[in-house]
Amino acid sequence: NAGVTQTPKFQVLKTGQSMTLQCAQDMNHNSMYWYRQDPGMGLRLIYYSASEGTTDKGEVPNGYNVSRLNKREFSLRLESAAPSQTSVYFCASSQDMGKPQHFGDGTRLSIL
Amino acid sequence: EDQVTQSPEALRLQEGESSSLNCSYTVSGLRGLFWYRQDPGKGPEFLFTLYSAGEEKEKERLKATLTKKESFLHITAPKPEDSATYLCAVIWVGTASKLTFGTGTRLQVTL
Repeated sequence: NAGVTQTPKFQVLKTGQSMTLQCAQDMNHNSMYWYRQDPGMGLRLIYYSASEGTTDKGEVPNGYNVSRLNKREFSLRLESAAPSQTSVYFCASSQDMGKPQHFGDGTRLSIL
Repeated sequence: EDQVTQSPEALRLQEGESSSLNCSYTVSGLRGLFWYRQDPGKGPEFLFTLYSAGEEKEKERLKATLTKKESFLHITAPKPEDSATYLCAVIWVGTASKLTFGTGTRLQVTL
């Protein structure tokens, strides 16, 4: 019962470096999401994919790109990391948009 | 302006001391309100969905209720293992069914 799996769990980057956060779900869900969670801010939506082959911007998309690789996998890329992107990143999936979302355990990203 | 507000920010209860957490929203055309539990170092875990005023859902010591402007998460006779952050989130008309989260209530239950 893996659910939503995120890799890596922890990462430290230097300003200007790039990296890709990976997410995979095994629940045959159509919709997938990327959030960031910062103290006092709550979870904020970065990008989402309503179904395979589609992606859309969320509330805070600047500095990020996404790829819906197939129905199972949804990756988040930071092209040129900035200290303001230090956060905990969560991937989630749901059967469809508007249905309950199931979350991974997050990637803790620090950018120096 | 905040569209989803949770109160209190933090709550400390003794084991067995019942209480309620509040989630108020200012959106129009609510399509669904979701409650999640989040343990430290983990992702949010889905608890309940409520769709219309008057609806109630229960799970063990937790009961969620919904009115036209707010939802309550009632915790009856809590145990230390109920300690967590509780998040609410809403979907409303015109948002393409995307969730908007509150900032959560940190609950600590002591012996």
